[in-house]
Amino acid sequence: KQEVTQIPAALSVPEGENLVLNCSFTDSAIYNLQWFRQDPGKGLTSLLLIQSSQREQTSGRLNASLDKSSGRSTLYIAASQPGDSATYLCAVFSGTYKYIFGTGTRLKVLA
Amino acid sequence: DADVTQTPRNRITKTGKRIMLECSQTKGHDRMYWYRQDPGLGLQLIYYSFDVKDINKGEISDGYSVSRQAQAKFSLSLESAIPNQTALYFCATRLGDTQYFGPGTRLTVL
Repeated sequence: KQEVTQIPAALSVPEGENLVLNCSFTDSAIYNLQWFRQDPGKGLTSLLLIQSSQREQTSGRLNASLDKSSGRSTLYIAASQPGDSATYLCAVFSGTYKYIFGTGTRLKVLA
Repeated sequence: DADVTQTPRNRITKTGKRIMLECSQTKGHDRMYWYRQDPGLGLQLIYYSFDVKDINKGEISDGYSVSRQAQAKFSLSLESAIPNQTALYFCATRLGDTQYFGPGTRLTVL
């Protein structure tokens, strides 16, 4: 059974720092992995989608990497800003009908 | 306008009451999902539907039922609400590899 873990559960950093969020999964047989952002009172917003054949994806200050063999993905946020404060969730899709979500990392960027 | 909308956004109800959460989408996607999120836990799948005539149970369907009234509408019902169904509920659509989430409904069962 696929399990997805995110560490740390919460993180506070000063503005301007580069930071890395971690996501690990137990079954390497995945089709893709997706990173989401969750803001209070709003739904989840997709940030980056990495197919199993890809090693990384970039969007602006965000870079997501995928290492299937080790069951790990990282989300790198460059030059963090207070507006980046949110909960970040990763989810893996194993080709069945659903995504398996991690528990999230709650990020606070201090001005 | 939002592509995936949920009503109500917040609801407080009492144990034993029947409650319906509604989801509408303007994206034209066939696939729709209902999830619940509890503090400290990931999203858990309740029900999913691949089209109007195809409805399937997810991993935590007990105590819930759904109705796919049209391609654009997917409703979740709690026939007799209980306190441990207090959670944040999300509706989502899916096209290809990407899911699109509604803003969520915060449900409290007293």
